Amino acid sequence: QVQLVESGGGLGKPGESLRLSCAASGFTVSDYYMTWIRQAPARGLEWVSYIDKSGSSIFYADSVKGRFTISRDYAKNSLYLEMNSLRVEDTAVYYCARGGKWLIRDPFDYWGQGTLVTVSS
Amino acid sequence: SYVLTQPPSVSVAPGQTARITCGGNSIGSKNVHWYQQKPGQAPVLVVYDDRDRPSGIPERFSGSNSGNTATLTISRVEAGDEADYYCHVWNDGSDHVVFGGGTKLTVL
Repeated sequence: QVQLVESGGGLGKPGESLRLSCAASGFTVSDYYMTWIRQAPARGLEWVSYIDKSGSSIFYADSVKGRFTISRDYAKNSLYLEMNSLRVEDTAVYYCARGGKWLIRDPFDYWGQGTLVTVSS
Repeated sequence: SYVLTQPPSVSVAPGQTARITCGGNSIGSKNVHWYQQKPGQAPVLVVYDDRDRPSGIPERFSGSNSGNTATLTISRVEAGDEADYYCHVWNDGSDHVVFGGGTKLTVL
């Protein structure tokens, strides 16, 4: 069955870096659009980044553009989010989710359980 | 930037019908997806492409989309439907995913 498991969250100081991982099983990440979405404490969902099947089209929210980098490893069937220059406002639960197989406008049909990132001095 | 507006809260008695709206400029021209999120859990897709339901989602969940408003309708509401609900679209104009602010459904 389809499963997404995030890891790599934890405590970081402003300006530091963290790398999140999302291990996929039950499907091949290279066959789908994949995305990162975050949720600050007691707040709504905020889209972070999106990568297409080939990795040639990548999109970022304005709030993270230039600081975060999405990537994937086909051999490990995993998705990553490199987070640099962390800010206090990056504190959130980060979810990876599976998008569509064909269209970028397709829904996110499977989500991981999330990993908590806390940025504090 | 494209904005999706949801009411912060909706309350309904058990057995009644809940309607949660998602407003956006010409949202009727976009594909709208809806997610349910219960406390401490990841979101779950309940309606996609305006009105379709993933397997395993009860028929009580339905959707519509026209003009500037998309609507998630939950018929015969149960206590277990109490959750936050989010709408989602892909905005071609900005190449961004957009989520609504979320609506807390309270079952009285």
